[in-house]
Amino acid sequence: GAVVSQHPSWVICKSGTSVKIECRSLDFQATTMFWYRQFPKQSLMLMATSNEGSKATYEQGVEKDKFLINHASLTLSTLTVTSAHPEDSSFYICSARFASGGPQGFGPGTRLTVT
Amino acid sequence: QKEVEQDPGPLSVPEGAIVSLNCTYSNSAFQYFMWYRQYSRKGPELLMYTYSSGNKEDGRFTAQVDKSSKYISLFIRDSQPSDSATYLCAMSDSGGYQKVTFGTGTKLQVIP
Repeated sequence: GAVVSQHPSWVICKSGTSVKIECRSLDFQATTMFWYRQFPKQSLMLMATSNEGSKATYEQGVEKDKFLINHASLTLSTLTVTSAHPEDSSFYICSARFASGGPQGFGPGTRLTVT
Repeated sequence: QKEVEQDPGPLSVPEGAIVSLNCTYSNSAFQYFMWYRQYSRKGPELLMYTYSSGNKEDGRFTAQVDKSSKYISLFIRDSQPSDSATYLCAMSDSGGYQKVTFGTGTKLQVIP
């Protein structure tokens, strides 16, 4: 799978503030990256598909104005949680595929806690 | 009914045992099948991936796909305490690995 990094690994923020999470492909160019959310003892739920140079595609039920995704380069996608609330506290994980295809490789995840 | 069903466990086995992890699915369009291992508070790590039906072996791990029964399995031989983790099955349709549907994961504990 692809080698993907995420930053930060853990963040605590106050309710009402915004938080940005970065996802980088380390040794390849990723035209497509994916953002998932995982609640405790639950599986990964796809939030959106991030395409380099174009708008992200959001899954049903995911608020695009709350979860802003920017894929400005072939190695970087960012997820910004705007006006975060305690219910946004979760484990956010990004993934990427090699441009030539193949299964997704996942980043280490970012644990967000909103107080 | 969920598209992918996976027993959440936990599954506890003694060190050295053969472990069998399974998933069933309902979407006959699924053609790509994956197994990921996830340690606590970490991102999933790809273990195995297969296309269509058949078996694939990699070291102590064997993945099996039976599309006629809509059933996939992961076998772990000579299980080790370091195998203790949550194992997620995942699958996608003819679009390749673009949109993946995950099982809920099975938590495995290998007891020394």
